[in-house]
Amino acid sequence: DQQVKQNSPSLSVQEGRISILNCDYTNSMFDYFLWYKKYPAEGPTFLISISSIKDKNEDGRFTVFLNKSAKHLSLHIVPSQPGDSAVYFCAASSNSGGSNYKLTFGKGTLLTVNP
Amino acid sequence: EPEVTQTPSHQVTQMGQEVILRCVPISNHLYFYWYRQILGQKVEFLVSFYNNEISEKSEIFDDQFSVERPDGSNFTLKIRSTKLEDSAMYFCASSKDSMGTGELFFGEGSRLTVL
Repeated sequence: DQQVKQNSPSLSVQEGRISILNCDYTNSMFDYFLWYKKYPAEGPTFLISISSIKDKNEDGRFTVFLNKSAKHLSLHIVPSQPGDSAVYFCAASSNSGGSNYKLTFGKGTLLTVNP
Repeated sequence: EPEVTQTPSHQVTQMGQEVILRCVPISNHLYFYWYRQILGQKVEFLVSFYNNEISEKSEIFDDQFSVERPDGSNFTLKIRSTKLEDSAMYFCASSKDSMGTGELFFGEGSRLTVL
């Protein structure tokens, strides 16, 4: 049951370039989308989120784009830095379920930013 | 910066034994969660807890699992009789409220190995 899919297990980019991480979802009831970052031996850390009423949210070097008709979202990191190297998880939730925080996660994409 | 702390970081147990994983959420948070990640798979929601009771649980959270907050600070996950398939990283998380940006604060995780 893969309601949230991250089809690229890994991505490698050069420092200073743009990193684009993609995520697809199948559940039309999802109305809140989030990106978490995870370093080895640490728990996931919240990065950025977007409500389904928006199509873009920006926070510094991080921008999340949402295409509801395609059920697709992406995380853009620009410029990428070596410290951004981590596993990035896409997650989604449905407010109609009573809690914004019952998150459904994707499997993650390992981003490597090369100096 | 306040953080969620989890103990133990790693526990090895025999199949059929009881295990208790402990978490100290961030002090002014009201909502508490357990998630788990089986090696190579996605992070999965187990249970959410508010006002001293379970607010939501997944189908994974069967009768072998229980949670409690016995002393107002520790939030524990008990697995009554462990199975091999319970081997996973268990993440505790907390949040201020159930609405908002979806920002859960995760602990570093407790790795459970069932032999």
